[in-house]
Amino acid sequence: RKEVEQDPGPFNVPEGATVAFNCTYSNSASQSFFWYRQDCRKEPKLLMSVYSSGNEDGRFTAQLNRASQYISLLIRDSKLSDSATYLCVVNMGPNDMRFGAGTRLTVKP
Amino acid sequence: GAGVSQSPSNKVTEKGKDVELRCDPISGHTALYWYRQRLGQGLEFLIYFQGNSAPDKSGLPSDRFSAERTGESVSTLTIQRTQQEDSAVYLCASSLAPGGYGYTFGSGTRLTVV
Repeated sequence: RKEVEQDPGPFNVPEGATVAFNCTYSNSASQSFFWYRQDCRKEPKLLMSVYSSGNEDGRFTAQLNRASQYISLLIRDSKLSDSATYLCVVNMGPNDMRFGAGTRLTVKP
Repeated sequence: GAGVSQSPSNKVTEKGKDVELRCDPISGHTALYWYRQRLGQGLEFLIYFQGNSAPDKSGLPSDRFSAERTGESVSTLTIQRTQQEDSAVYLCASSLAPGGYGYTFGSGTRLTVV
C-alpha cells in the first residue's frame, strides 16, 4: 500500500457541480494533514489544513476519518478556476511529509 | 524576501555535466525541503533540513545528489554527472517548523538534461 494514495482522475465536472476527492494514508500515527492545489506548470500552494473535527473554507470542506485513514476534500458550486491538480499531504513522521500524486480536476462550462 | 526564491528558473545541461540549484527560503523559516517532480507525476521527497540538525537525506536517489544548507539560510542542491532521468522540476519549500505546518514552495527549477 502506498503511503499516500489518491485517485489520479481526471475528474471532469460542469460548472456548479459538487465534487469530492478522497485520499488514503498508511500510517495510523499521522497527525498532520493538508490539501494543496497545483496549477499546470506551477508550484503547489496550500489550500487548507485538515483538522480532526473537519473544517470549511468557503466552498471547500475538508474532513478527516482516522478510523478508516482517509481525508476528503469537497468542492461545492465548482468554478472554472477550480481546475487544477489537488494534492493530499500527510505526515509520516516528524520530518516526513508525504505528498500524494494528486487528483486532476477539470471544470467545464 | 516575501516568498521562497529559486534559481535558475530553467536550466538545460548536457548529460554528464554537474548542476547546482539554489533555494532562498522565507526569512525565519527553519525547515527547508527539496522535492523533485517529473512531468505528469507527483512530488518526490529528496532531502530535509531543520535548523542546524543533521539533514534527512533519505530521499536522495543516488550519490550523485547532494545538498547543503548553512544555518537557516540558502540551500544548494547539486547533481553531479547528470543523466537524462534527472530531467524534472526541482521544487524547494520552507516551513516555520517541521511536520505540522504548511509549506511554501518556490516556483521551481526546470532541469532538462540533453
